[in-house]
Amino acid sequence: ELKVEQNPLFLSMQEGKNYTIYCNYSTTSDRLYWYRQDPGKSLESLFVLLSNGAVKQEGRLMASLDTKARLSTLHITAAVHDLSATYFCQGTYKYIFGTGTRLKVLA
Amino acid sequence: GAVVSQHPSRVICKSGTSVKIECRSLDFQATTMFWYRQFPKQSLMLMATSNEGSKATYEQGVEKDKFLINHASLTLSTLTVTSAHPEDSSFYICSASPVGRNEQFFGPGTRLTVL
Repeated sequence: ELKVEQNPLFLSMQEGKNYTIYCNYSTTSDRLYWYRQDPGKSLESLFVLLSNGAVKQEGRLMASLDTKARLSTLHITAAVHDLSATYFCQGTYKYIFGTGTRLKVLA
Repeated sequence: GAVVSQHPSRVICKSGTSVKIECRSLDFQATTMFWYRQFPKQSLMLMATSNEGSKATYEQGVEKDKFLINHASLTLSTLTVTSAHPEDSSFYICSASPVGRNEQFFGPGTRLTVL
């Protein structure tokens, strides 16, 4: 069965802390996408990871891809309140979305 | 660049009526457009994939006679929810892939409420 699972589903963290969101997918995907969704809004593209070992960083967010392990990570460094949102990963096989991780950063 | 619009952004209708949602790629041509549905606090679920000039491919469990998709041009796809019922109330999001690119650009979404 095709699955894209994220862990954790909910994350509440203090400002200034670091944390990692994991995205496991069950079928081969040659690239992996990360998006952010604010409440009531559509998706904002964060990263496109194109190959095994790819690492991309933007501000306090860094994403990586391990195609052999079928795993992508989204690392948050020194979280700030503005990062509070729901984060989704997505593979290319049937463009299935992950389950989503709802992040809440507490001041 | 790569802007996708949806219209309307919000619609409220009575049970039994039909609602049409438009998805347009404003500054690029899209051979493929995707329609997703998102219920509150859930992930996006792919409903169908539409290719310009051909019939849409529906995901398992999505009724093609209820959710009519038309992709008449390289910049426009429409989703018509026929005989809408309260359980069809949801957030509908379209996305479009530029010609030759394996990437999606998302519309702002349409919130449908069926009374």
